[in-house]
Order: sequence, then structure tokens, then C-alpha cells
Amino acid sequence: DVKVTQSSRYLVKRTGEKVFLECVQDMDHENMFWYRQDPGLGLRLIYFSYDVKMKEKGDIPEGYSVSREKKERFSLILESASTNQTSMYLCASSLWGDGSNQPQHFGDGTRLSIL
Amino acid sequence: GQNIDQPTEMTATEGAIVQINCTYQTSGFNGLFWYQQHAGEAPTFLSYNVLDGLEEKGRFSSFLSRSKGYSYLLLKELQMKDSASYLCAVRDSNYQLIWGAGTKLIIKP
Repeated sequence: DVKVTQSSRYLVKRTGEKVFLECVQDMDHENMFWYRQDPGLGLRLIYFSYDVKMKEKGDIPEGYSVSREKKERFSLILESASTNQTSMYLCASSLWGDGSNQPQHFGDGTRLSIL
Repeated sequence: GQNIDQPTEMTATEGAIVQINCTYQTSGFNGLFWYQQHAGEAPTFLSYNVLDGLEEKGRFSSFLSRSKGYSYLLLKELQMKDSASYLCAVRDSNYQLIWGAGTKLIIKP
């Protein structure tokens, strides 16, 4: 089974702090994704990566950056945390290939609160 | 713009059948996914449709009509453990997933 592990289930930080969310997958997947999930909204894509050192902006990249130095690890960085970044953050990975039928596999999420 | 519509919440009785609908308007279509998400847990993959018709997988079936921009997830012989949110997602022409807000399914004894 695919295992996607996020470093923290719950995290509380203060406004202005730099915050790091880590994600590791164990199935040698090429693709990795960061989403945020808010009540009443669908998952919104922040950033994704198709390969090591490669990154692409998703729908809501403002205020975030990412790092992918190794294939199995994809980090999300909040440069200067703000209260509107309080949310559930989900990491996912998937195989490359034609991409059409490859499902994304998710971690358990990090519930981040910015005070 | 791109849009996925699902009912916010549904209630059903243990042992019964429930159908969760999903309609979509996207720029292109490269498949539709259904995921299950229990409260506080990761979404898990249930089904994938790219051609019109019904895909059956045990108690769960998923239907797609591309011409109507419509899909449904059918859950039979409902069990209490089926209480969860069900997420519909469409892969668009750029192979990105567009997600619905999810349908919270409540199962009553």
C-alpha cells in the first residue's frame, strides 16, 4: 500500500512565523501535490511537482513556496504565516505515465492554526 | 470557470441504497474520480470513470455521462462505516484535478 506521511497532524503557529510542512511518500511516485481543504470548498491546489527540483504553481500559490530536493519528500513553506492560512493541509502523490487514470494518494493531513 | 457541484449533505438508513450526484463544467475532460473521506482522515480513492457507463466495485458503483456532464456514486447495503464525505473530482484538459466540495453522508440505524 502507498504510504504518504505528513510530519504533523496538528500545528499551532503565530502570525509572521515561517512554517514548514513536510510530506514523505514511500512508493517512488513522481508526482506530489499540496492542497488546502476548507469547509464548504473543494480541495484547492497550492503547488505540485512532477520531478525532483521541479515545481509548478497551482490555483492558490500566494503566500506559499515549496521544495523538492528528493523524490520522496515535498515540503510546503508558509513564508510569513497569516490567520487566513489557518486550514487543513493535505499532501498527495501519484504515479507519472499518461496520468489519466492514476489516482492521487493522500496523507492524513495537517490541521494548521495561525494565531 | 470550472465548477463541480455535489449536494452538501445526505442522510440514508443502514441497509438501504443511496445515490450521490455530481455535475461538472470543466475545460476538457480526462476522467472522473470518486474519493471517500472519513472525518479527520485522508481521502481514499474509490473509483475512476473515463467512458460512459457504469463501473461496479462491490457495494459501490459509479456512473458517468460525458454528454450530460454528470456522474453518480451508488452505495448499496449501507453500513454505519459508510458515514463519510464523498468527493467528486474531474481531471481537466491540463490533467489537473478539479474538486467538488464533497457530500457528507450520514447513515442512521
